[in-house]
Amino acid sequence: QKEVEQNSGPLSVPEGAIASLNCTYSDRGSQSFFWYRQYSGKSPELIMSIYSNGDKEDGRFTAQLNKASQYVSLLIRDSQPSDSATYLCAVNWDNQGGKLIFGQGTELSVKP
Amino acid sequence: KAGVTQTPRYLIKTRGQQVTLSCSPISGHRSVSWYQQTPGQGLQFLFEYFSETQRNKGNFPGRFSGRQFSNSRSEMNVSTLELGDSALYLCASSLEARNYEQYFGPGTRLTVT
Repeated sequence: QKEVEQNSGPLSVPEGAIASLNCTYSDRGSQSFFWYRQYSGKSPELIMSIYSNGDKEDGRFTAQLNKASQYVSLLIRDSQPSDSATYLCAVNWDNQGGKLIFGQGTELSVKP
Repeated sequence: KAGVTQTPRYLIKTRGQQVTLSCSPISGHRSVSWYQQTPGQGLQFLFEYFSETQRNKGNFPGRFSGRQFSNSRSEMNVSTLELGDSALYLCASSLEARNYEQYFGPGTRLTVT
C-alpha cells in the first residue's frame, strides 16, 4: 500500500460545479494534512492545511479529515476554469525523523 | 514578505558532471527541505535541514548531498550526474523543524544529457 494515495484523474467538472478530491493515507500516527495546488510548469502552492477531524473552510475550499478512516478530502465549490491544476495531498510521516509525504496528485479540469 | 527563491532556474548538464543548486528560504523560516519531482515518481523527499544540520534524508543515493548555512540558506549538490537525475528540484521552507506547513520555491529544472 502506498503511503499517500490519490486518484490520478483527470477529474473533469463543469464550471460552477463542486469538485471533490480524495486522499487516503497509511500512517495512523499522521497529524498534519495539506492540500497543494500545482499549475502546469509551476511549483506547488499550499492552499489548505487541516489538523483535526471535521471540516475546515477557506473561501471556496473545504478540507475534510477523518482520521479513523485515514481519509482526507478537498471540496472546491463553484469551480472555475482557473482551478484547473493538479492537486497534491501531503501528509506528515513522523517515522524516520519526520517528513512530508506527497500523493501522486489528481489532475482537475474545469470546463467552461 | 519575499517567497522562497531558487537559483538557477534552469540548468543543462552532461552525464558525469556535478551540479549545485541554491535555495533561500522565506525570511524567518529556519527549516529547508528539498524534493525531486519527476512525471513518473512524483514529488520525492530528498532531505531536510534545520539549524545547519541534516534532520532527515530520503531514499536517494549518496551522490545527493546538501548543506545549510547560518542564515538558513541551503544548497544541494548532485555529483556524477546520471540521465535519470533530470527532474524539477524543489526547495521548500517552513518556520521550524517538524512544522510541515511548507512553502515551495519556483524550482530548478535540471536536464542531464
